[in-house]
Amino acid sequence: SYELTQPLSVSVALGQTARITCGGNNIGSKNVHWYQQKPGQAPVLVIYRDSNRPSGIPERFSGSNSGNTATLTISRAQAGDEADYYCQVWDSSTAVFGGGTKLTVL
Amino acid sequence: EVQLVQSGAEVKKPGESLKISCKGSGYSFTSYWIGWVRQMPGKGLEWMGIIYPGDSDTRYSPSFQGQVTISADKSISTAYLQWSSLKASDTAMYYCARVKIVGATTDAFDIWGQGTMVTVSS
Repeated sequence: SYELTQPLSVSVALGQTARITCGGNNIGSKNVHWYQQKPGQAPVLVIYRDSNRPSGIPERFSGSNSGNTATLTISRAQAGDEADYYCQVWDSSTAVFGGGTKLTVL
Repeated sequence: EVQLVQSGAEVKKPGESLKISCKGSGYSFTSYWIGWVRQMPGKGLEWMGIIYPGDSDTRYSPSFQGQVTISADKSISTAYLQWSSLKASDTAMYYCARVKIVGATTDAFDIWGQGTMVTVSS
């Protein structure tokens, strides 16, 4: 079965750029989606199809996908960006989630 | 406003049955599939399966096939997740989320329900 690998945690200084990676075999050939989940809340879609932002998501959130790695980039990180982030793809009609990355804003 | 509203928290005993719901509003319910996602306490997201309310076509994750039943009633824009015999290990938050499938392309889960906490304890 297809697997997605994310770092357990990423730290970023306030106002700096955070990058969260999602690794998978030839993931560049798939559409990658990213979700943000704050404590006690439901997940929220922040990037779809590699690099598209839903309405209401700040331009500070961007995504890329190539080769074996997809990346979620959060520019000018804010305290409110602290959350768990999950990547997700579809493989053979099965949804696969990465294990999640806890983003800490210092 | 497009939203998915889930039924309230449940506390059950092992061996009991349960059916939780997810009601869609603000959009054409039969234009999207509904998926179910489990999140065990302190853990990540796990996909359980999806259903197309238009004709109840259902696909299950191999991990959940035979363990749960997903159904839908398009007349009331509601999807369901049910268990016939709960176990303590079913204790988790369960989310529904909508997803569009066009041809061979399955998109992102763009709208999520607020979640239903299921606690199974003797």
